[in-house]
Amino acid sequence: GAGVSQSPRYKVAKRGQDVALRCDPISGHVSLFWYQQALGQGPEFLTYFQNEAQLDKSGLPSDRFFAERPEGSVSTLKIQRTQQEDSAVYLCASSLAAGGSYGYTFGSGTRLTVV
Amino acid sequence: QKEVEQNSGPLSVPEGAIASLNCTYSDRVSQSFFWYRQYSGKSPELIMSIYSNGDKEDGRFTAQLNKASQYVSLLIRDSQPSDSATYLCAVIDTGGGNKLTFGTGTQLKVEL
Repeated sequence: GAGVSQSPRYKVAKRGQDVALRCDPISGHVSLFWYQQALGQGPEFLTYFQNEAQLDKSGLPSDRFFAERPEGSVSTLKIQRTQQEDSAVYLCASSLAAGGSYGYTFGSGTRLTVV
Repeated sequence: QKEVEQNSGPLSVPEGAIASLNCTYSDRVSQSFFWYRQYSGKSPELIMSIYSNGDKEDGRFTAQLNKASQYVSLLIRDSQPSDSATYLCAVIDTGGGNKLTFGTGTQLKVEL
């Protein structure tokens, strides 16, 4: 596609519910990143994929967070047993090159609200 | 300690003026620096990248890098109301592989 596509655009979850957020990167982009952005803050790194390999998951805040990219294209970020502190915008970004040394393109994000 | 520091603002400038946005970073071996613009409710958009000391100009935007002072700035000439947004400074985290570390952003308001 022309850009990074994320769905859903908005998600309201009841506390304790599991959610799955989808990212469809730019076709052919090797690198894929997930970030979490709280209100009034800069994006915070969650995890990085190079093709299907998850090379860095150091930013995942707890074992309730899980990400996958099984075929090296579409990625899913799953949050189990959501908590109120999980409310944020979840941003996906992709880059043609391995790694993000030249910057990357963000999707529109998924705004998650946990009630 | 936050690795990338920015003044949260808001920074208010009149239309047509030069807006100066500043950023400091703590990792001395950082090599790649970026400025992203984020409109309210939208995702960050890459506007400038800089990798070596000095100035880099692109249209009305100039990025300045001083690695000795661990300082990077963004100048916006002839500011327009459409430049009103939050500007995020980001640095490649050399200790963490490929991820970008962002500052909290500076809110810029260009007033008529």
